[in-house]
Amino acid sequence: DAKTTQPTSMDCAEGRAANLPCNHSTISGNEYVYWYRQIHSQGPQYIIHGLKNNETNEMASLIITEDRKSSTLILPHATLRDTAVYYCIVRSTIQGAQKLVFGQGTRLTINP
Amino acid sequence: KAGVTQTPRYLIKTRGQQVTLSCSPISGHRSVSWYQQTPGQGLQFLFEYFSETQRNKGNFPGRFSGRQFSNSRSEMNVSTLELGDSALYLCASSLGDRGSYGYTFGSGTRLTVV
Repeated sequence: DAKTTQPTSMDCAEGRAANLPCNHSTISGNEYVYWYRQIHSQGPQYIIHGLKNNETNEMASLIITEDRKSSTLILPHATLRDTAVYYCIVRSTIQGAQKLVFGQGTRLTINP
Repeated sequence: KAGVTQTPRYLIKTRGQQVTLSCSPISGHRSVSWYQQTPGQGLQFLFEYFSETQRNKGNFPGRFSGRQFSNSRSEMNVSTLELGDSALYLCASSLGDRGSYGYTFGSGTRLTVV
């Protein structure tokens, strides 16, 4: 019952920007968009999250469309260490019982 | 500050046995969630605890149970282990139950049932 759709895999050249799309067409007004990544056999690592506005931190930028039905995670200068599975997740802002529903994610491979 | 700590990191058990996994959240975090990850099913939600109360439960059989202590540490227990329970079990903690609070995951416990 994942609420997001992502491409199964993507490739990107080292040093270039990696743009990972995510479709969340059923997102409701009170749901955040979260991005996590998982490097083989480690726990998922938080990257960034946003509600309406674009967000940027030291790791990445998150661009959310005006209608909030899709978003793009941007890794500005990809390195080999960015090779991982990237998960886009929506999470309710409503206080109370919550869970993260993970889809299959995008397997991003950074090529030298 | 210390991250989410899960113990043990690796575990091998025999079918029919039971197992207890431990999770110590980040100091000050009151919400703890558990996830099971397998190659076939991906990351699946098991349950979430907030202030010692189970708030949400995933679609797993009753053999899977958990609890949270007053210091927010959590344990999950799996009884009558089956081969299919072999998986990476991940714990995640959060400050609270608002959507603006992110989750921080531990490194997981890899359970192998033989």
